[in-house]
Amino acid sequence: QKEVEQNSGPLSVPEGAIASLNCTYSDRGSQSFFWYRQYSGKSPELIMSIYSNGDKEDGRFTAQLNKASQYVSLLIRDSQPSDSATYLCAVSYALNFGKGTSLLVTP
Amino acid sequence: EPEVTQTPSHQVTQMGQEVILRCVPISNHLYFYWYRQILGQKVEFLVSFYNNEISEKSEIFDDQFSVERPDGSNFTLKIRSTKLEDSAMYFCASREKSSYNSPLHFGNGTRLTVT
Repeated sequence: QKEVEQNSGPLSVPEGAIASLNCTYSDRGSQSFFWYRQYSGKSPELIMSIYSNGDKEDGRFTAQLNKASQYVSLLIRDSQPSDSATYLCAVSYALNFGKGTSLLVTP
Repeated sequence: EPEVTQTPSHQVTQMGQEVILRCVPISNHLYFYWYRQILGQKVEFLVSFYNNEISEKSEIFDDQFSVERPDGSNFTLKIRSTKLEDSAMYFCASREKSSYNSPLHFGNGTRLTVT
């Protein structure tokens, strides 16, 4: 069974702070890693993708990948209340999703 | 921006009935997927479809489920005899290429309620 694990949260951060979301995966052969944002009752929306070790930045978002540790993370800088959502980690063509981490950004 | 469209947005059916969920993928996309999400749980992969055949399916996708691309635009998921536990949000998704860095685009989902 190929597992993708995330802390379900909720993770609460004040507005303007950095939110750090973490994900581990079991399949060492995985090559592609994705972060999706899902608002309640809505479909997942792709935020970031990362394929090689290191950091990838896009605006306020930074994805970090460490294949040796089988670990991928998402940092959200200058968090806004509109960032409040569930963040899903997905691995391998997005066929395996984690359960998601609920993020709450408080004004 | 082109998008994946799903109909209906909400379907209510009685246990034992057949349902068909419909999706129109983005027009130049070649790879199609169905996922489901039971309330409060994770998004689960059901099936992927390419070149008019199933390319991969999960353990959830048993004989009660089938998929079809009846014409050049629609992609359907049929549940033959619905059970209470089939109540979930069903998402259709598509991607342009098979390469691992081709992003997946999701539709808005169909909420299926089995009574």
